[in-house]
Amino acid sequence: GAVVSQHPSRVICKSGTSVKIECRSLDFQATTMFWYRQFPKKSLMLMATSNEGSKATYEQGVEKDKFLINHASLTLSTLTVTSAHPEDSSFYICSARGQLAGVQETQYFGPGTRLLVL
Amino acid sequence: GEDVEQSLFLSVREGDSSVINCTYTDSSSTYLYWYKQEPGAGLQLLTYIFSNMDMKQDQRLTVLLNKKDKHLSLRIADTQTGDSAIYFCAENDQAGTALIFGKGTTLSVSS
Repeated sequence: GAVVSQHPSRVICKSGTSVKIECRSLDFQATTMFWYRQFPKKSLMLMATSNEGSKATYEQGVEKDKFLINHASLTLSTLTVTSAHPEDSSFYICSARGQLAGVQETQYFGPGTRLLVL
Repeated sequence: GEDVEQSLFLSVREGDSSVINCTYTDSSSTYLYWYKQEPGAGLQLLTYIFSNMDMKQDQRLTVLLNKKDKHLSLRIADTQTGDSAIYFCAENDQAGTALIFGKGTTLSVSS
């Protein structure tokens, strides 16, 4: 079963509004979570690395004031797209770094959130 | 910086073997990964290989690693229509935490 969940799976919003996406690790504690963005027919681009209890580290070119990340607990990280615009429409995928029993520590990905900004 | 390259498309017939190739640049990567993404879905970890291994087999999947050439391949034996998806190879970034992905290879399986 899924080990990382994301909510919501799809969201449509008006331009100028803010959208919050949740990422939860279900069967393990994740000290580090990552947020990726996937453009159509493109690979995944890392947006930021989020460590529990500390500020997120953003990749070059990602606006930290626009994409707010909060990692308040070992099982939950949130990405808030503030004042969303149509160019923010994309597929956002989170991952949680952790170790399940018998498996090498790796990143487990959520199912993704498709954001459409009108 | 790190870079991962893959061919974009592969088309095979059901029952044939599929081989998806990947090249990477960061020789310090400890693990290399293959992920599968079905339409509209997130990523599913298929398999991974430790950098000091040459080969890893897991049921229908065989991963070959040529560390000298920084070349990674994924072979799917007896390819099925359910294997149709986008396959991403990935390596760790230099900090060893985040993953750097290739653009993905779209595998199309025809019956």
